[in-house]
Amino acid sequence: EDQVTQSPEALRLQEGESSSLNCSYTVSGLRGLFWYRQDPGKGPEFLFTLYSAGEEKEKERLKATLTKKESFLHITAPKPEDSATYLCAVQGAAGANNLFFGTGTRLTVIP
Amino acid sequence: DGGITQSPKYLFRKEGQNVTLSCEQNLNHDAMYWYRQDPGQGLRLIYYSQIVNDFQKGDIAEGYSVSREKKESFPLTVTSAQKNPTAFYLCASSRTSGRGELFFGEGSRLTVL
Repeated sequence: EDQVTQSPEALRLQEGESSSLNCSYTVSGLRGLFWYRQDPGKGPEFLFTLYSAGEEKEKERLKATLTKKESFLHITAPKPEDSATYLCAVQGAAGANNLFFGTGTRLTVIP
Repeated sequence: DGGITQSPKYLFRKEGQNVTLSCEQNLNHDAMYWYRQDPGQGLRLIYYSQIVNDFQKGDIAEGYSVSREKKESFPLTVTSAQKNPTAFYLCASSRTSGRGELFFGEGSRLTVL
């Protein structure tokens, strides 16, 4: 069964204090791993797609990496506007139309 | 600007009533989805549609119904058969089916009184 575990559940950082969020996954035939950002009371916003181990994607202060068992979302010198919940999702071979989402990491960046 | 519009944003329902949540997209996307989000749980798929006049059940379809009569529209009806309907409902679309890059609406929060 597909499984996604995100850690930590919540993370508080000082502005400028870099850190990483973890997404561990178990899936049969990974088609893609996806990162989303969700602000309170809003729908998720797509950030990155990773397809194979070793792949990396960057956008502003965010960098996503992928291994065969987990993905990391690295946040470099975060700003208060980076505060949000970050969701990880996997797409397996058996469920091409059904992403399996983790419960998210709630990030708070303190000025 | 293109996007997905969900309405209403907040909805209150008495037990035993059916309610319909609206979802409209102007992205010209073929595929549309309905997810449910509950505290402490990941998003769960209710229904999806790959093309007009076609839709498939997701993991938690019981107590819900959908229609896809137009490419732009994918309404969700929460029926009285849904035992625990209070939740945050999210509509999404993708350019074609089978893609993981989803565009989400702002969500509809349903509360059953």
